Amino acid sequence: DSGVTQTPKHLITATGQRVTLRCSPRSGDLSVYWYQQSLDQGLQFLIQYYNGEERAKGNILERFSAQQFPDLHSELNLSSLELGDSALYFCASSVDPGTGVKNIQYFGAGTRLSVL
Amino acid sequence: DAKTTQPPSMDCAEGRAANLPCNHSTISGNEYVYWYRQIHSQGPQYIIHGLKNNETNEMASLIITEDRKSSTLILPHATLRDTAVYYCIVRVRTNAGKSTFGDGTTLTVKP
Repeated sequence: DSGVTQTPKHLITATGQRVTLRCSPRSGDLSVYWYQQSLDQGLQFLIQYYNGEERAKGNILERFSAQQFPDLHSELNLSSLELGDSALYFCASSVDPGTGVKNIQYFGAGTRLSVL
Repeated sequence: DAKTTQPPSMDCAEGRAANLPCNHSTISGNEYVYWYRQIHSQGPQYIIHGLKNNETNEMASLIITEDRKSSTLILPHATLRDTAVYYCIVRVRTNAGKSTFGDGTTLTVKP
């Protein structure tokens, strides 16, 4: 158990809908990262937050947004869903903002999103 | 981040050492080598990391060549539960922590 909690584990929805994925980082970790893993694209970095502020952005679509709350949990919002958004979404956390020597990311078990 | 090259797949007999190579010929002096693994759609799991010295922990050993252009992850006594995709990542300290995961090596441990 990595200590990173993601809910829900599975999500089935229809095209055009909006969903929210939730992530609780390990106790004491200030950074949260979101990744998408599709069958044909591997793990893609989406976005990082550190202590409530956006720190780095990857290949995140405009239909997607994220935020980190004062209690450090994070939510990834996916809207106007398309079939191609079906994927595993992973959250990771680390204690530092990403510039530390160790900067080890601990991953949650993921949310499997199926868009029908 | 430097680009890494890993063989797409490898087999290993149970109980034997698994040696997974990674090529990172464009690595910069301030870039670290990290290894993660992903067991069948679970979240990736951190294994080990290093800068230039060899490193060992309870899971594995990391051997980095003197010129730092390649490294090898060693699982000393592979078990069936080590079957997974292994990712080698090279990352600078100042890229805000995002990790670029390539295709990795699928290690299959066989009885």
